[in-house]
Amino acid sequence: GAVVSQHPSRVICKSGTSVKIECRSLDFQATTMFWYRQFPKQSLMLMATSNEGSKATYEQGVEKDKFLINHASLTLSTLTVTSAHPEDSSFYICSARVGQVNQPQHFGDGTRLSIL
Amino acid sequence: GNSVTQMEGPVTLSEEAFLTINCTYTATGYPSLFWYVQYPGEGLQLLLKATKADDKGSNKGFEATYRKETTSFHLEKGSVQVSDSAVYFCALSLMNTGFQKLVFGTGTRLLVSP
Repeated sequence: GAVVSQHPSRVICKSGTSVKIECRSLDFQATTMFWYRQFPKQSLMLMATSNEGSKATYEQGVEKDKFLINHASLTLSTLTVTSAHPEDSSFYICSARVGQVNQPQHFGDGTRLSIL
Repeated sequence: GNSVTQMEGPVTLSEEAFLTINCTYTATGYPSLFWYVQYPGEGLQLLLKATKADDKGSNKGFEATYRKETTSFHLEKGSVQVSDSAVYFCALSLMNTGFQKLVFGTGTRLLVSP
């Protein structure tokens, strides 16, 4: 149980395009989803937290207009990297959690984004 | 601020060797502590956790004790297997407006050879 599916697993695109990454909880309802970014040999850095039906809460230094997050249902959250540039290339990981505090986060397999 | 420091890898061991991966933390408040594992090509999985001082989390032969006095949560296993090869992340969480935000260490890669 508690499977989180992330799609696509890898994407390569040209500079200036927008890229959408999907995160789905397959067998549970995720009231809260998290988006992380991981640079090579570095920690996972939390980008934003989103609750179903409300606006995402972004971490300091994360551009809201650059990284658009939508959490329209209890099983789906999307991250759109708008007008992507090479410096946005990274590994993006989502996680999902059932509503109660102290419940563990369940992670997707991540998306490798490469901007040429 | 809140941060987690892990020993740099890779840690290379032979099968059945004893494993220790060090983890120390800095936190403003009283954190919960976690170890996550990432097997090749997969997402992160919760390995074990501890929510208060002197708690010992354990799972699959791994264990870690929450040491408040040394702000540490070292991961140990008495006898590693080749299948334990993975990246291990130490993490902490603090309550923030009702959410549970995780702060991760940089991860430590473990390589176990037959």
